[in-house]
This record gives sequence, structure tokens and C-alpha cells, in this order.
Amino acid sequence: KAGVTQTPRYLIKTRGQQVTLSCSPISGHRSVSWYQQTPGQGLQFLFEYFSETQRNKGNFPGRFSGRQFSNSRSEMNVSTLELGDSALYLCASSLSPGGYPNTEAFFGQGTRLTVV
Amino acid sequence: KNEVEQSPQNLTAQEGEFITINCSYSVGISALHWLQQHPGGGIVSLFMLSSGKKKHGRLIATINIQEKHSSLHITASHPRDSAVYICAAYTGNQFYFGTGTSLTVIP
Repeated sequence: KAGVTQTPRYLIKTRGQQVTLSCSPISGHRSVSWYQQTPGQGLQFLFEYFSETQRNKGNFPGRFSGRQFSNSRSEMNVSTLELGDSALYLCASSLSPGGYPNTEAFFGQGTRLTVV
Repeated sequence: KNEVEQSPQNLTAQEGEFITINCSYSVGISALHWLQQHPGGGIVSLFMLSSGKKKHGRLIATINIQEKHSSLHITASHPRDSAVYICAAYTGNQFYFGTGTSLTVIP
């Protein structure tokens, strides 16, 4: 069974540009959530999608957005990139939101974004 | 104020030692997750708990809902257990993460 696939794995962008990251969940999983990890802030929740609907959003500015397609694949977009957006962006998939109550969440390897 | 607090932040153990990592949370939860992150970034979900205790191999996770506290135990630790262990509280709306415990197991 294929795991969670995130593309690209590494990305370098210039301040002010926008970026789109992709996450393909495990087959059959309908919940996809996104996280930002930085050395200073650790892991932070960005948003969660279930069956193409955004269920929840973390405390991030509107420059961060996402969507989920009918095949459960998800994309997140960051517009007007800032230096502070440099981070590892992780997505996780599960059968149900938060993995609860069915099963735990499965994480992708992440996309490492560097903004210069 | 952090919704999830972990201790210790860093831990060094000799191979074979019994290890305990603690997690306290202040939010109401649907589930408590324990995650393992190796150098390079990949995260593996170890446990999801909503009550009681779970065991997987040498790893044991417990949770006390009344005390809002969870522990991760590693029995007979091994150098391959060296990683960062992260506790995450899922409220039903979002995740709150601890800052992680960096574990180094020395042969």
C-alpha cells in the first residue's frame, strides 16, 4: 500500500512569489491535514480537509490556503512568500479527521521550502 | 502559554534502559497522538490514544484523561530509538503539538 506522497520534496522560492505544494493521501483516506514545522515554532497545524471540505484552520494568515480534490489529493498554496515561511511542510492522511476514532494519521516525508 | 507541555526536552540513555517521556495538556481532547521524527524530517505515528493504555513492541503509551497526562515508555531502549518524540493533542478541531523530546540512546 503506497504511503502519503508529497511533492516536491525541496523547493527554493524568492520572497514575494507564491508556491503550491501537493499531497497525495493513502488510497481510501479522505482526511488530509497540513502542518508547518520550523526550528523556532515547532509543529503547527495549518488546516484539515475531509471530503473536499475544509473542516478546520489553524492560526495562520490568509496567505496560506488549501483545497482538496474529489480524489482526496490536496494542495496548499502560500502567496506573497516571506522569509519566515521557510519551513518543512508536512501533510498527513487518515480515514477520518485527526485519525479519531478509526486510526492514526500517516505522514508524508514533507516538502522543505526555502524562501530567499 | 503552551497547550501541550512535554518533558524532558532532551534525554540521553544507555542502551537497554527504560525510558519515560511525559506529556501534559490543557485542552479537551478527542485523542492524544505520539509521533516519532527521525533526522531528515519523516514523521511516524506511534500511537493514538483516547483512554487507557496501548502497547506496540517495546513501546507503551498511557493516558490519564482526568489528569490530562500521557506518558510514552520505551523498554530495553536501543540506539535505533534515537529520535524526537512529539506529543500531539487532537481536540476534534485541530492539533496542538508539544515541542518534542530529543532522545539519544548510546550503545
